[in-house]
Parts: sequence; structure tokens; C-alpha cells
Amino acid sequence: AQTVTQSQPEMSVQEAETVTLSCTYDTSESDYYLFWYKQPPSRQMILVIRQEAYKQQNATENRFSVNFQKAAKSFSLKISDSQLGDAAMYFCAYRSAGPPKYGNKLVFGAGTILRVKS
Amino acid sequence: AAGVIQSPRHLIKEKRETATLKCYPIPRHDTVYWYQQGPGQDPQFLISFYEKMQSDKGSIPDRFSAQQFSDYHSELNMSSLELGDSALYFCASSRTGTGGLEAFFGQGTRLTVV
Repeated sequence: AQTVTQSQPEMSVQEAETVTLSCTYDTSESDYYLFWYKQPPSRQMILVIRQEAYKQQNATENRFSVNFQKAAKSFSLKISDSQLGDAAMYFCAYRSAGPPKYGNKLVFGAGTILRVKS
Repeated sequence: AAGVIQSPRHLIKEKRETATLKCYPIPRHDTVYWYQQGPGQDPQFLISFYEKMQSDKGSIPDRFSAQQFSDYHSELNMSSLELGDSALYFCASSRTGTGGLEAFFGQGTRLTVV
């Protein structure tokens, strides 16, 4: 079974600074997807960024980028120019690339609370 | 754009009562997932459906059951409710053929068992 580990329960960053959230995962599969979800106090789950395992290029979405190291099974999220609105719980998630009829649920890490200081 | 709709948004039940949570996936999405999230915890997978057939099952208690109907909406039925069932219940949907990309989440149903 796949597992996702987020070793940082909490992180703090100064507004306008850069912060990196860590995520490692364990799988025997070669094809899969990785995601970062943001959960603000409203508890809505919002997709931040996604990465296909077969792509070597790291995904980027505006101020958010990832460092995907497939061999090391590492998938960190970098937030540049942090804003107060970035304060939230961040979840790293894994999903198999297999067909959905066999089940390809999201497996979540424990989450990292990000605090942004003004 | 249409999103995943969950109803009700909030639900208060007494112990041993029954609750039904509803989920309306994004149109043309063929897969529905149910997750349970306790306070300060990560979402725990309960069950999923692909094309109205159960595709996977997680840590779902026997007191819970779910199904997906012909119109693709799904319902999570919870019986003999316990205090520990108090949580946020998410439904998510995705569509095969988009590369297996992201699951879109509803806003959740907050269940409180008293």
C-alpha cells in the first residue's frame, strides 16, 4: 500500500518570503500522480498543484512550484512571495495511475500547517 | 463552472440515529469518492464508485453504506451513529480520460453527533 509522509507538522514564514514544505512517499508503482492540496480555515480542499510521475519537468503554478525527485520519492512544495492568504493546512497526496475501476483513491499525508507572519 | 455539491452542509444527529449524506458530482465525472476528516486530521478514504459500481473500499465501518445512482449522484448512509462519527465528510469526483488528474472536492458535510 502507498503511504505519504509529511514530516513538518507546522511551518512559519514571513510575508513575501519563500517557504518549502516537504513530502515523501512510498510506492512500488512506476506511474502515479502527486498533488498538493490546500485547506484553509473554511476546510474547503483546494488543489494547489499536480505532478505526473512520468514527467521529469517540475510543475509550476504562479508562486507555487514543486521539486519532484522520483528516485528519492520526494515531492516538496515551494511557495514564493508568501501571502497572508497562503496560511492554511497543506496536504500532500498520492494517486495511482491505474484505471479507476480498480480504485485510484487519493492517499493523503498528515498535513503541514503553514502560518504566515506579517 | 459546476462544482461538486454536497448536502446538507451541516447535520446534527443524536447517538444511535441515522444520517444520509448526499453528493452530486461534476457533470460527466464518472468517479465519486467519499472521505472522512476528523478535527486536525488528514482525510481518510471511505469508499469510491466508478460508473455506479463500487471500485474501492477503505476504512468504512459496517454501519455505513453507500451507493451511486443512475444519475451519478451518491449517498452515504450512516446508521447507529456514535460520537466518534462526528467529522467533516467530503465527496470528490473525477473524470477518466483527463489523464487521471485531480479529484474535485465538495465543500463537505459537517456531521455532529450528540
